[in-house]
Amino acid sequence: NAGVTQTPKFRVLKTGQSMTLLCAQDMNHEYMYWYRQDPGMGLRLIHYSVGEGTTAKGEVPDGYNVSRLKKQNFLLGLESAAPSQTSVYFCASSNDRGGNQPQHFGDGTRLSIL
Amino acid sequence: ILNVEQSPQSLHVQEGDSTNFTCSFPSSNFYALHWYRWETAKSPEALFVMTLNGDEKKKGRISATLNTKEGYSYLYIKGSQPEDSATYLCAFTSGTYKYIFGTGTRLKVLA
Repeated sequence: NAGVTQTPKFRVLKTGQSMTLLCAQDMNHEYMYWYRQDPGMGLRLIHYSVGEGTTAKGEVPDGYNVSRLKKQNFLLGLESAAPSQTSVYFCASSNDRGGNQPQHFGDGTRLSIL
Repeated sequence: ILNVEQSPQSLHVQEGDSTNFTCSFPSSNFYALHWYRWETAKSPEALFVMTLNGDEKKKGRISATLNTKEGYSYLYIKGSQPEDSATYLCAFTSGTYKYIFGTGTRLKVLA
């Protein structure tokens, strides 16, 4: 039972480099989310998707782009990485639009920007 | 600005003790409250989804209550065990796809 899989688990980037984080879910969930986790703060929503081909901005979208070309995959891109984007990134999926079902989380990607 | 607050931030209890934490959330536009258990180096795992005022849910030694009118939920652990050591997160949603997470309560159960 894979659930939600995030790739890679760790990455170190230099300022200005770009990269893409991949999230894959095998539960046929419609809704997918990208969060970042910073010390002393709750999980903050970066972008989310309510279905294949759709994306929307969350609370902290600046500096990130996303795509949902296939239902099972949700990609998070950093076009020009900045030290402020050093964080742990979590992907989640859900089969409910409002909150009647829980979110299922991946194990996280620890990203350091030097 | 909607805010979800959890207290205490952290606590240590002895094995066998019972304990409880609080999650405070906006009392307006409530749709659901989620509780998650988050062990170090793992992903958050769902414990409860609570939607109705007065809801009480139980899973083994862990239970939760919900008061949507005053905007709080309690999580109780009866007879804490070392394997209960984790961060307990709550998340509020008004049903708009977006969730507001608290910063969590870090529990350490000492053997």
